[in-house]
Amino acid sequence: QSALTQPASVSGSPGQSITISCTGTTSDVGLYKYVSWYQQHPGKAPTLMIYDVSNRPSGVSNRFSGSKSGNTASLTISGLQTEDEADYYCSSYTSSSTYVFGTGTKVTVL
Amino acid sequence: EVQLVESGGGLVQPGGSLRLSCAASGFTFSSYSMNWVRQAPGKGLEWVSYISSSSSMIYYADSVKGRFTISRDNAKNSLYLQMNSLRDEDTAVYYCARENGGSYYEDYWGQGTLVTVSS
Repeated sequence: QSALTQPASVSGSPGQSITISCTGTTSDVGLYKYVSWYQQHPGKAPTLMIYDVSNRPSGVSNRFSGSKSGNTASLTISGLQTEDEADYYCSSYTSSSTYVFGTGTKVTVL
Repeated sequence: EVQLVESGGGLVQPGGSLRLSCAASGFTFSSYSMNWVRQAPGKGLEWVSYISSSSSMIYYADSVKGRFTISRDNAKNSLYLQMNSLRDEDTAVYYCARENGGSYYEDYWGQGTLVTVSS
């Protein structure tokens, strides 16, 4: 199972919006609504930001939103803040009953 | 409060074995499927293995199939990963993660335990 494809880095100024893409195949992202997104600060464990494509867990800011079209899912961070600077990973359930993660995107707040 | 605490990491020679443990608390462990996910130094996340709540379903990534064995003891609220025939490329922080009961995603993660395979 190949990793989902994400841009290596995305940057934006405080207050701006950025979007991170996550491209898979018809066996994972394109097949199910089970795409999730995780934020990871350096030296820390990942934390869940979005599940089932577009749902936010309790406690996650509504500045984070998710969507999907075909084989590509997206995470949008609006009103970018300095604390959003982190690595972001998408994940999808697959037709093999396994999980696959994205390659990861480093978000930099300029 | 949900807590997952991994242990058992360390330095091991290539070809060696190691057993990781994950102690769960704050939820009914026997009702949840669990996963192991790893992250090599400076690299991305890689899913490793899954076990259902009753251990009836188990899956592995191709990279560890035949070398790693996932198991759990619901009476002890514990998850395990037996790692044999370790290779340099198995060097990583290993996280245990709880799969949400209603869908397919990991809602809680442990802090991770570092496994270093080196001679």
